[in-house]
Amino acid sequence: GAGVSQSPSNKVTEKGKDVELRCDPISGHTALYWYRQSLGQGLEFLIYFQGNSAPDKSGLPSDRFSAERTGGSVSTLTIQRTQQEDSAVYLCASSKGLAFSYEQYFGPGTRLTVT
Amino acid sequence: ILNVEQSPQSLHVQEGDSTNFTCSFPSSNFYALHWYRWETAKSPEALFVMTLNGDEKKKGRISATLNTKEGYSYLYIKGSQPEDSATYLCAFFVDSNYQLIWGAGTKLIIKP
Repeated sequence: GAGVSQSPSNKVTEKGKDVELRCDPISGHTALYWYRQSLGQGLEFLIYFQGNSAPDKSGLPSDRFSAERTGGSVSTLTIQRTQQEDSAVYLCASSKGLAFSYEQYFGPGTRLTVT
Repeated sequence: ILNVEQSPQSLHVQEGDSTNFTCSFPSSNFYALHWYRWETAKSPEALFVMTLNGDEKKKGRISATLNTKEGYSYLYIKGSQPEDSATYLCAFFVDSNYQLIWGAGTKLIIKP
């Protein structure tokens, strides 16, 4: 079956521009997660959704970051007024639910470069 | 602050040799420890989700053990092959916010 997909795969943008990253999870997966990996760093948790709800937004790095999920499926991560420190690989993952025993399935990522 | 540590940071192993590396995590409020493999230019892929103290899981030549009382897990690879070259990540599940806290990974390079 289809895995997690993300688009675009690569995005180069100028500092100050807004960008929108898209994640399409595995069908039927109610939980969705956003992570980023900056150069030389580990995976950084950003936000999770259960259905369309994101109960905890404290992992988002700044108020320039926002995320939404509609119809319990596709999610978008929006970064406003991009800065060079936003350059990273943004990964999306989905799982059957939030329970600790569920493994996460990752998409291929979006590589964001802010010039 | 919850911390997950992995060692070593990187490892070079001769093809055919066996190897192991460590993940250390908080020993309190334990729910699950996840292991993932992340090959270059691919997505992270789940290897194991471990939930019980003393648990041992196996997938082919790869196995993992879990000690929740002392807060560590070992990942073993028997008879390393070039396709085992990857970064191996462990992640500790935090029940309060359903978040995985990730280690920095062990980068494994298999030398032919």
